[in-house]
Amino acid sequence: GAVVSQHPSRVICKSGTSVKIECRSLDFQATTMFWYRQFPKQSLMLMATSNEGSKATYEQGVEKDKFLINHASLTLSTLTVTSAHPEDSSFYICSAHRDSGGYEQYFGPGTRLTVT
Amino acid sequence: RKEVEQDPGPFNVPEGATVAFNCTYSNSASQSFFWYRQDCRKEPKLLMSVYSSGNEDGRFTAQLNRASQYISLLIRDSKLSDSATYLCVVKMRGGATNKLIFGTGTLLAVQP
Repeated sequence: GAVVSQHPSRVICKSGTSVKIECRSLDFQATTMFWYRQFPKQSLMLMATSNEGSKATYEQGVEKDKFLINHASLTLSTLTVTSAHPEDSSFYICSAHRDSGGYEQYFGPGTRLTVT
Repeated sequence: RKEVEQDPGPFNVPEGATVAFNCTYSNSASQSFFWYRQDCRKEPKLLMSVYSSGNEDGRFTAQLNRASQYISLLIRDSKLSDSATYLCVVKMRGGATNKLIFGTGTLLAVQP
């Protein structure tokens, strides 16, 4: 159990366009999900905490108007990178914390975004 | 100063070797501690939690020293399949969320 999926796994888009990434908890409910970004040879950096039914909490330095997060149900959070630029090219990973308890976060397989 | 610091490596070791990774964290309010493993271009996966009393899972042993704010991971009898990046992770105390802070990772390459 505790599977998290992400879609798409890989996306290439042109500069100036927007890209939506979905994160789904397949077999559990998750009021809280997290979005991370990982640049090559660097660690995961938390971008924001996504809360079902309320606004996301963004980490310092992350533009909320550029990285739109929607957590409309207990199994789905979306991250939209608006007006993407080449410097937004990165590996975006989500994780979900199971509502039924425990401390573990379950990670999705990640989405590799390339902006040309 | 980074909140979680690790030696980036790489650690190149022969099969069968014992290798140890170290990690330090700066925030004394850190509550829980973990080692994750990340394979190239994949998501991180939980390897083990780290407890003050020390804990072992097969060939892997984790230790925590709260006074020194230091965490370690020991891998015995290294296998080729152990090659990966090992991430030291801490969870902060308090708050409504389970925010994890990741270290930059230590790259392990086990050679045949």
